[in-house]
Amino acid sequence: DTGVSQNPRHKITKRGQNVTFRCDPISEHNRLYWYRQTLGQGPEFLTYFQNEAQLEKSRLLSDRFSAERPKGSFSTLEIQRTEQGDSAMYLCASSSGYEAFFGQGTRLTVV
Amino acid sequence: QKEVEQNSGPLSVPEGAIASLNCTYSDRGSQSFFWYRQYSGKSPELIMFIYSNGDKEDGRFTAQLNKASQYVSLLIRDSQPSDSATYLCAGQPMNRDDKIIFGKGTRLHILP
Repeated sequence: DTGVSQNPRHKITKRGQNVTFRCDPISEHNRLYWYRQTLGQGPEFLTYFQNEAQLEKSRLLSDRFSAERPKGSFSTLEIQRTEQGDSAMYLCASSSGYEAFFGQGTRLTVV
Repeated sequence: QKEVEQNSGPLSVPEGAIASLNCTYSDRGSQSFFWYRQYSGKSPELIMFIYSNGDKEDGRFTAQLNKASQYVSLLIRDSQPSDSATYLCAGQPMNRDDKIIFGKGTRLHILP
């Protein structure tokens, strides 16, 4: 499978716990995006990497959120001290500079 | 602030008719535009891209780009109930170091 891969597909966590999601982009894609989406809303931009450099991070993103792409390949998104409002679908997309392709997403439920 | 704007809908179209989805963008330098289809609970799927002024056809789908007026549209001919979804418009700024900008999507409902 050469598409964008996200793990896990589903995550249920208790409020206050930390969670980490992984995204493996399409091979050779140097651009990687993270989005958050809640029901009935469009994707909300979180952060963007070009290779290992984090070029942009949404000002709406609290300090509890951090993302890394240490070797310019896979990326991780960590949420510390989760809150119920963090419940959403977290989408990763990769691009070579033209169209972006999305993974299947990680659905987070904070209880 | 570079933006892509779409009417949120819902847009209701009878089965078999043409569905027309529109999108405007603020960055005059944007060169590439994309349409994604997203079913409820699923991730967005790329269905069309267009780089040049004019029309681009792929099966029942036609993407139209008018750079002078800064709008992009997607026409779906012979609409089917399976076309019911949210359609996201996106643009890539001329500076390829800039991120792709997504609209918030238009919900399309095909009436059987």
